[in-house]
Amino acid sequence: EVQLVETGGGLVQPGKSLKLTCATSGFTFSNAWMDWVRQSPEKQLEWVAQIKDKSNNYATYYAESVKGRFTISRDDSKSSVYLQMNSLKEEDTAIYYCTSILWDYWGQGVMVTVSS
Amino acid sequence: DIQMTQSPASLSASLEEIVTITCKASQGIDDYLSWYQQKPGKSPQLLIYDATSLADGVPSRFSGSRSGTQYSLKISRPQVDDSGIYYCLQSYSTPPTFGAGTKLELK
Repeated sequence: EVQLVETGGGLVQPGKSLKLTCATSGFTFSNAWMDWVRQSPEKQLEWVAQIKDKSNNYATYYAESVKGRFTISRDDSKSSVYLQMNSLKEEDTAIYYCTSILWDYWGQGVMVTVSS
Repeated sequence: DIQMTQSPASLSASLEEIVTITCKASQGIDDYLSWYQQKPGKSPQLLIYDATSLADGVPSRFSGSRSGTQYSLKISRPQVDDSGIYYCLQSYSTPPTFGAGTKLELK
């Protein structure tokens, strides 16, 4: 059974940092291209970042709205993907989903609230 | 970035109707178009991929089509369980972009 479990969300003040972790199982993680997608309180879905696999040199891509502030990374030995979020803004408040859009695997999501 | 203009924003339909939701791409996307259904508190569930292919386990009352750069999701004789929010997603180019969503209520 495929599982993606996100952790690390919570309430954080503007300007602070937070790191999300997505632990996966049930598929060949090392071959997967992994994404983070977020959903605003208004229910709008937004792709955030992608990291490809080793054969694609672990290439990373980011939405313009997070470029320079967020960093996606992965550890194939732990079948995990991460999202380091720095300089958080109130507009980053959302549910963050770990997903492989290409393979259609989704986690249950984790809430991140940025507020003073 | 490719813009996906989804309509309508909300829809109330009876169980006897045919429901149609559309997404118009701002440029050609070569059928790299998926449709998702989302229920409250759940992650999006894939219904259609590559514009017209039904995902595993999805009922045959769901179908996808294309006309030019406009893509459509059709639900024939919807069931009460089909209530939720529907999104399109283009994965032709980075960044992948979603439509704004269509909230479907069955009456």
